[in-house]
Amino acid sequence: DQQVKQNSPSLSVQEGRISILNCDYTNSMFDYFLWYKKYPAEGPTFLISISSIKDKNEDGRFTVFLNKSAKHLSLHIVPSQPGDSAVYFCAASGPPSGTYKYIFGTGTRLKVLA
Amino acid sequence: DSGVTQTPKHLITATGQRVTLRCSPRSGDLSVYWYQQSLDQGLQFLIQYYNGEERAKGNILERFSAQQFPDLHSELNLSSLELGDSALYFCASSANRGASYGYTFGSGTRLTVV
Repeated sequence: DQQVKQNSPSLSVQEGRISILNCDYTNSMFDYFLWYKKYPAEGPTFLISISSIKDKNEDGRFTVFLNKSAKHLSLHIVPSQPGDSAVYFCAASGPPSGTYKYIFGTGTRLKVLA
Repeated sequence: DSGVTQTPKHLITATGQRVTLRCSPRSGDLSVYWYQQSLDQGLQFLIQYYNGEERAKGNILERFSAQQFPDLHSELNLSSLELGDSALYFCASSANRGASYGYTFGSGTRLTVV
């Protein structure tokens, strides 16, 4: 049972435009959500997080939106740059507290075209 | 360098064999997590250790086991290997400061079973 789903395996965007990556989840007990970025031959790196008590979190060019009623979150990258080309994973965490065990989606490969 | 060290980077072995993957967490991090990424799959949570004790378990096969030693490094043991065990195995660590901080991942061990 895939509790965290990224239904778009890939996405291509022109440099300077907005990239929108989507993620859906099924477990209403999830209370933290993260986005990770992964380059080839490297481990995933933490990008941005959001708590379930918020609906938006912003960090520079990256903004994450959370819609709890729809069990949906999205990552917006504005403006997109060629260096943003990577695989993006969303991840969700919930009780029991203290484990901080994250469930990851299957990833979306973003290609930013120069 | 993320501060999480995984060895070896690559491993090729035959079916039926046993291997050990090693992880040294970032300095000061007490929690270690193991994830498996098979081809075109997301990161599947295997197991978490906190300060030497098992804290959470995911979809880890009975043929797999892990431990965390007093110096906080961790080992993932995979036995009776099958072709389907070929995957990237990631270790991550965290200071357990809170769910919003996420993990720091190592660069992974690529296991190929032939």
